[in-house]
Amino acid sequence: EAGVTQFPSHSVIEKGQTVTLRCDPISGHDNLYWYRRVMGKEIKFLLHFVKESKQDESGMPNNRFLAERTGGTYSTLKVQPAELEDSGVYFCASSRQGPTGELFFGEGSRLTVL
Amino acid sequence: GEDVEQSLFLSVREGDSSVINCTYTDSSSTYLYWYKQEPGAGLQLLTYIFSNMDMKQDQRLTVLLNKKDKHLSLRIADTQTGDSAIYFCAEITGGSYIPTFGRGTSLIVHP
Repeated sequence: EAGVTQFPSHSVIEKGQTVTLRCDPISGHDNLYWYRRVMGKEIKFLLHFVKESKQDESGMPNNRFLAERTGGTYSTLKVQPAELEDSGVYFCASSRQGPTGELFFGEGSRLTVL
Repeated sequence: GEDVEQSLFLSVREGDSSVINCTYTDSSSTYLYWYKQEPGAGLQLLTYIFSNMDMKQDQRLTVLLNKKDKHLSLRIADTQTGDSAIYFCAEITGGSYIPTFGRGTSLIVHP
């Protein structure tokens, strides 16, 4: 069974540019989560999808961040325009039975904004 | 302050026991987790404990929960170099149902 895959693994962009991160969850996992870790700090929750619906987006920092999960399969997280403080590692995770069960994480997408 | 706090680094000698500590603030925590992140990999669930338990043992791993002090610990017996990784404590509370993670403890195992 393939794990959670994320693309790109590393992206370097300039302030003001746009970046789109992609996450492919494990097949059959309805729950998909985005988290972000800024260097040395805690892993912060961004949002949670159940299938294609946003169940909880309370962690999204501002309206420069847009997450979608069309068709309830893969998800994208777009940052537009990117700011310096958006730098960090963006993790995607999926689960079958909801947040109280085991979350399966991808390797993360490292975003560097210059 | 942070909801889940951990020290950043722990260095141990191979063969010794490691104890990684975590404190949390929400007394309504229902599930508490330990995730492990090896270099270049995603987080993997290592073990978990329900809030109505005090201890859980799984081979070399022992999880201790002190609800009164809101303190969780992970003990790794006979620590090996392969145990070198970042260990994240996480909790789920009654209100949110979304895991809240700490900043992770880097465990360094040296010969």
